[in-house]
Amino acid sequence: QSALTQPASVSGSPGQAITISCTGTTSDVGGYNYVSWYQQHPGKAPKLMIYEVSNRPSGVSNRFSGSKSGNTASLTISGLQAEDEADYYCTSYTSSNYVFGTGTKVTVL
Amino acid sequence: QLQLQESGPGLVKPSETLSLTCTVSGGSISSSNYYWDWIRQPPGKGLEWIGNIYYSGNAFYNPSLKSRVTISVDTSKNQFSLKLSSVTAADTAVYYCTRRRGTYFDSWGQGAPVTVSS
Repeated sequence: QSALTQPASVSGSPGQAITISCTGTTSDVGGYNYVSWYQQHPGKAPKLMIYEVSNRPSGVSNRFSGSKSGNTASLTISGLQAEDEADYYCTSYTSSNYVFGTGTKVTVL
Repeated sequence: QLQLQESGPGLVKPSETLSLTCTVSGGSISSSNYYWDWIRQPPGKGLEWIGNIYYSGNAFYNPSLKSRVTISVDTSKNQFSLKLSSVTAADTAVYYCTRRRGTYFDSWGQGAPVTVSS
């Protein structure tokens, strides 16, 4: 199974909105509504931010939202803040397995 | 509050077997609502799913690692374990144990760095 494709980096100014894409195939992203997103700060464990495409766990800011169209899922961060600077990974269920995205570094300018 | 803690050797020799244990506290590993997974991250690289186990002992593995991986569970100790055989430098990574609810990983250990080197 190949990794899902994410842009290597995305940047934005404080207060702006950015979107990170996650492209797979009909065997993973396009075939199931089982995409989740994780935030990882340097040296830390990943943290769940979005599950099942668009659901936000308790405690996660409503500035984070998720969506999906065809084989591409997206994570949008609105009202960008300095604390949002981190790596972000998507993952999708696929036939009893899980495949992760290549990861995106978000920089707050 | 659920906590997961990885433990095991931080240095493993090439061709030997990597062994890690994850101790779960603040919750029962025997809950029917969750699966228990291992995920790894090579230095400077992305995440890779290794495999998972259910409290009943049923396990699933990443096809690319299946021939070398064994995941087991000890419900009496509230622990689950990872064994990866015939390791090479490519297996050098931070290894995370996680709790999975359905299809998402909602709780993570802090990670255990493992280096494969002679």
